[in-house]
Amino acid sequence: GAGVSQSPSNKVTEKGKDVELRCDPISGHTALYWYRQSLGQGLEFLIYFQGNSAPDKSGLPSDRFSAERTGGSVSTLTIQRTQQEDSAVYLCASSRQVTQYFGPGTRLTVL
Amino acid sequence: SQELEQSPQSLIVQEGKNLTINCTSSKTLYGLYWYKQKYGEGLIFLMMLQKGGEEKSHEKITAKLDEKKQQSSLHITASQPSHAGIYLCGAVPLSTGTASKLTFGTGTRLQVTL
Repeated sequence: GAGVSQSPSNKVTEKGKDVELRCDPISGHTALYWYRQSLGQGLEFLIYFQGNSAPDKSGLPSDRFSAERTGGSVSTLTIQRTQQEDSAVYLCASSRQVTQYFGPGTRLTVL
Repeated sequence: SQELEQSPQSLIVQEGKNLTINCTSSKTLYGLYWYKQKYGEGLIFLMMLQKGGEEKSHEKITAKLDEKKQQSSLHITASQPSHAGIYLCGAVPLSTGTASKLTFGTGTRLQVTL
């Protein structure tokens, strides 16, 4: 079946604008994760959804970042009032049990 | 907090040579994952280790987890250009006790020369 898909693959935006990044997990996977990969920080956890439980938001760097998961499937990561330090590759992963499968990522560039 | 150290940071090997990448945790692990990443692409799952002393192999790649579940090694036999990329270890601490968010190492960049 299809893997994890993310859109857009690339996003260039101006500082101060809001952006939305989308993740379609593998069908049947109950857990969904967002990570961020940047040159200075490596790969960092952002937020984790598991079924109907409250999400683990402990990795979100500021209140400008939020995410939702509708219908237990598709997820959207929203960054408000983007800053240059938000430039990174945003990776989504999903899992049914313990193994996380990653999407290709969205490369975000904030000018 | 959980920390993972990978070594070496980068590695250049001649095609056909063997190599080893190490990943060391400051805490006992619930699970240790190995992923490979090529530039501009997502992470490709290689293997997951959960039991102390466990060893898994896939094609020419072997991963081991030590008895204390704090250190893992990834060994590639007879490297090929297709092995080039960034290798990342990711881990869930034992205190979590279940599948959860991963903490990643800083990665090892592997180049294979002809």
